[in-house]
Amino acid sequence: DAGVTQSPTHLIKTRGQQVTLRCSPKSGHDTVSWYQQALGQGPQFIFQYYEEEERQRGNFPDRFSGHQFPNYSSELNVNALLLGDSALYLCASSPDRVGGYTFGSGTRLTVV
Amino acid sequence: DAKTTQPPSMDCAEGRAANLPCNHSTISGNEYVYWYRQIHSQGPQYIIHGLKNNETNEMASLIITEDRKSSTLILPHATLRDTAVYYCIVRVYMDSNYQLIWGAGTKLIIKP
Repeated sequence: DAGVTQSPTHLIKTRGQQVTLRCSPKSGHDTVSWYQQALGQGPQFIFQYYEEEERQRGNFPDRFSGHQFPNYSSELNVNALLLGDSALYLCASSPDRVGGYTFGSGTRLTVV
Repeated sequence: DAKTTQPPSMDCAEGRAANLPCNHSTISGNEYVYWYRQIHSQGPQYIIHGLKNNETNEMASLIITEDRKSSTLILPHATLRDTAVYYCIVRVYMDSNYQLIWGAGTKLIIKP
């Protein structure tokens, strides 16, 4: 039973570019949340998707957007990249909006 | 804003019990305490969660004080593979959704 799968594992982008990160949730999970984790810090909540809609959003600018597909997979898009966007981006899925979160291994984004 | 406070680092001898404290003095009555750990920038791994009663599973035990203002995660027989950052997290209900509020974590080093 595959867990949460994220792609790519590593990515290097130039300041000002746009990036798309992908997440496939664990089988049986329909809710996907995205987190940003800067080096040496705990994860920060970006947003959560359920039934293809953004249900909740953390304190992140509109440059961060997302999408959830009918098969529950999700994308995180970041526009106009800044150096400060360099971080580990984590996707977590859950069987409902209550809990039971399973995390992927993350995508390491480096903005140069 | 983080709702938990943890010591930044701790050491424990291999084979001994590791006791990781967490303060969550502002926790509300229906907010759960979750523990995750993260090994070397991999995705966080679920350990255990609880509301009021003490909980135990194959990985650890969670002891929650009667006033719920603090808790302790216990790894009964620590091994070198338990070296990781351990996060004490409060799950809050916000804007009709649940969200994990992460602290800075405790870096636990198991020594041979």
